[in-house]
This record gives sequence, C-alpha cells and structure tokens, in this order.
Amino acid sequence: SQTIHQWPATLVQPVGSPLSLECTVEGTSNPNLYWYRQAAGRGLQLLFYSVGIGQISSEVPQNLSASRPQDRQFILSSKKLLLSDSSFYLCAWSTGPQVIGTQYFGPGTRLTVL
Amino acid sequence: DQQVKQNSPSLSVQEGRISILNCDYTNSMFDYFLWYKKYPAEGPTFLISISSIKDKNEDGRFTVFLNKSAKHLSLHIVPSQPGDSAVYFCAASARDTGNQFYFGTGTSLTVIP
Repeated sequence: SQTIHQWPATLVQPVGSPLSLECTVEGTSNPNLYWYRQAAGRGLQLLFYSVGIGQISSEVPQNLSASRPQDRQFILSSKKLLLSDSSFYLCAWSTGPQVIGTQYFGPGTRLTVL
Repeated sequence: DQQVKQNSPSLSVQEGRISILNCDYTNSMFDYFLWYKKYPAEGPTFLISISSIKDKNEDGRFTVFLNKSAKHLSLHIVPSQPGDSAVYFCAASARDTGNQFYFGTGTSLTVIP
C-alpha cells in the first residue's frame, strides 16, 4: 500500500532563516506530487506540483521554492522565511501520469515563523 | 479568485440526524469533484468523489450529489456521528486545468451527542 511521509511535524523558525520541508511517498512509482498551504480560515492553496523528477510548476509567486531530486521525494524550501509564511503545509500525491485522480495527503507540517 | 466556494464556515447537527454540507463552483469545465475530511493538525483524508457524468455517488453513510446546471454539489452524512466532527473540504478539477485541484475554504461540522 502507498504511504506518504512528511517531516518535521512542527517547526518554529525565526524570520529570515531558511526552510526545508521534506515529503516522501512509498509504494508507488512516478506519482504526481503537490505542496499545499492552509492558512487559518482559508482553504487549501496549491503552491507547487510536479509530474516528474526535476519538473516543477509553481502556482503562486512567493519566496518559496520546490525541488524533486528523486521520483518519490518532494522538498519545499525557502532562503529567507517571512512572518506570513506561518501556516500548515501539506504534501500530497496522486497517481501519475493520469491528470485527474484522487489526491492523498500527508500528515502536514505546522510552521510558525517568529 | 475563489472558483470553489463553501459559504457555510460551520454547521452543528445533532447525533443521528442528517448533515448536509454544500459547495458551489463557478467553472463549468470542472468534471471531477471530491470531498475531504480534515481533523486538526492532520492532513485531509479522501472521503468520496463524483465525476460529472453522474449526479449521485453513495458510500455507506456518505452521499455526494452533483447538480451541474446549478454548479452545486452537496455531501450528505446520515446518520451523523460525533466522530464525523471535522472540517470538510470540497475540491474540483477539470482536464484543462492540468493537475490542479481547486479547494473550497472548508466547513467545520460539529455533531452534538
């Protein structure tokens, strides 16, 4: 069966510090991978998605970036965090290369920027 | 631009009664819809989906209805149980939007014992 891991579960970082959140998927090959953000009182905002190694599409311009160094690994990064980056970050996967498919979410990372 | 809207931020229902969660969308090209359930500090879990070729899909206590002409879908939970208390998100996608799902802002359901 497929599983998705995210770490860390919680993170407190000072403003201006770098960020690296990691997501890995097991039990499937060539998944589509996604990074979402859920701010308080808001829906899920798609940040990045990837249909393959090294292929990243950005949906929202911001100070975040994503990379996919391996087939089942997706990394969300920032060089300098802002206060507004405080949020709940979710990684998700769906069966690729099929475009339409149910997405399955990881447990999320609660990021607080102070 | 919020293409998927959940206009009720919260809903309270007595245990055993029906819970109805609503979702509206604006893009007539959407052809695949999902409902997710989310507990605090956890990732959303997939609940039920429906494609635009159907107007109803049922899975146990959960039924999703789709009204394409009204661009409206709803999730019915019967009977409601205290464990159903969570935030429910609807999401929509279309083949011409690639891999992007559009999510609503969520409805917080509280089932009162």
